[in-house]
Amino acid sequence: IAGITQAPTSQILAAGRRMTLRCTQDMRHNAMYWYRQDLGLGLRLIHYSNTAGTTGKGEVPDGYSVSRANTDDFPLTLASAVPSQTSVYFCASSDRHMGTGELFFGEGSRLTVL
Amino acid sequence: AQKVTQAQTEISVVEKEDVTLDCVYETRDTTYYLFWYKQPPSGELVFLIRRNSFDEQNEISGRYSWNFQKSTSSFNFTITASQVVDSAVYFCALGYGMRFGAGTRLTVKP
Repeated sequence: IAGITQAPTSQILAAGRRMTLRCTQDMRHNAMYWYRQDLGLGLRLIHYSNTAGTTGKGEVPDGYSVSRANTDDFPLTLASAVPSQTSVYFCASSDRHMGTGELFFGEGSRLTVL
Repeated sequence: AQKVTQAQTEISVVEKEDVTLDCVYETRDTTYYLFWYKQPPSGELVFLIRRNSFDEQNEISGRYSWNFQKSTSSFNFTITASQVVDSAVYFCALGYGMRFGAGTRLTVKP
């Protein structure tokens, strides 16, 4: 049982480059989320999707975009990476509407922007 | 606005001690959910508990227990007889916006 798969696991990126973090789930969950984790700040919600075809902004959406073309995939794109986007990124899913069900997390993608 | 505060940044205890992790939240919603997650040194995030705002009964699961007090907007987590394997960062979270606290790093020393 894979659950949520994130790729890449780790990436070093030059500032100004475009980067897409991939997230795929095999649980058929409707809701999906992207968080970033920074020391001392916990996890902060970047974008979310309650169902395929819809997305919404979270707490820190600037500089990021997402799409939800189908139930399984929820990629996160950094159009022009900046050093402040250096972080660990977690994708998560839930079988309930946003905020009501527990989250199942991927293993995280560590991104370093130089 | 929704906010979760975990005032304890780091806690260190000796094995077998009891330890309580504090969580205070703010919300204007009348119905909401609260959660606790664990992040061990390996880095994955593991769900521990979900609590509906209508259910103020305390929850006990083995050595873990949770005290939800709506009157003080708190949802505290107690580990009884702590073990080295309990060493982790623990996050409290509030639903409808899925706001996480900054986390409490618990170190249990042998």
